[in-house]
Amino acid sequence: GAGVSQSPSNKVTEKGKDVELRCDPISGHTALYWYRQSLGQGLEFLIYFQGNSAPDKSGLPSDRFSAERTGGSVSTLTIQRTQQEDSAVYLCASSLKRADQETQYFGPGTRLLVL
Amino acid sequence: DQQVKQNSPSLSVQEGRISILNCDYTNSMFDYFLWYKKYPAEGPTFLISISSIKDKNEDGRFTVFLNKSAKHLSLHIVPSQPGDSAVYFCAARVSGYGGSQGNLIFGKGTKLSVKP
Repeated sequence: GAGVSQSPSNKVTEKGKDVELRCDPISGHTALYWYRQSLGQGLEFLIYFQGNSAPDKSGLPSDRFSAERTGGSVSTLTIQRTQQEDSAVYLCASSLKRADQETQYFGPGTRLLVL
Repeated sequence: DQQVKQNSPSLSVQEGRISILNCDYTNSMFDYFLWYKKYPAEGPTFLISISSIKDKNEDGRFTVFLNKSAKHLSLHIVPSQPGDSAVYFCAARVSGYGGSQGNLIFGKGTKLSVKP
């Protein structure tokens, strides 16, 4: 596809359940980023991948959050034992490489609601 | 502690007039600044950027000004059009490859409404 795609677009889950969010970056983009936007807040950095490795996991809010990337392409963000405060829009972005002045292109996001 | 601040949550402007969106930052290590525009139910789209070695960058109706001494940047849209109505996010980063360098730090956004 031409842009970054994310699935599902919306997810409603019950507290305590696990969820998996998927990101398909732009073909050829080696850098991939996960952000989240909670209600009334800016975008909060979660994790970044260069290829399949994640050198910066500093933004993950707790050990319930994990992410992986396979084949240098698709990434999944997993939230275990979801809590209501996990409700947010989870955004994925990709860029050609992690370099100065490299524009990040965002997907449409996954809206997660934890009941 | 917010490193990038957009103190105006909303702004309303008449079509044809100038829109000025402001952004302040606290981290003196930031050397690259971006503006993203976001429509409802869509991801942010890149609008314009500026490196810290410049004080102005212009692209059509959009101009970004950077005042490093004041740690302030602004986005000017002139003339404003109803299609410009969206949430505008200011973002900043420390360029580089190590650790958290390269991560975008976003403000909370300003919702711009351009009235016909």
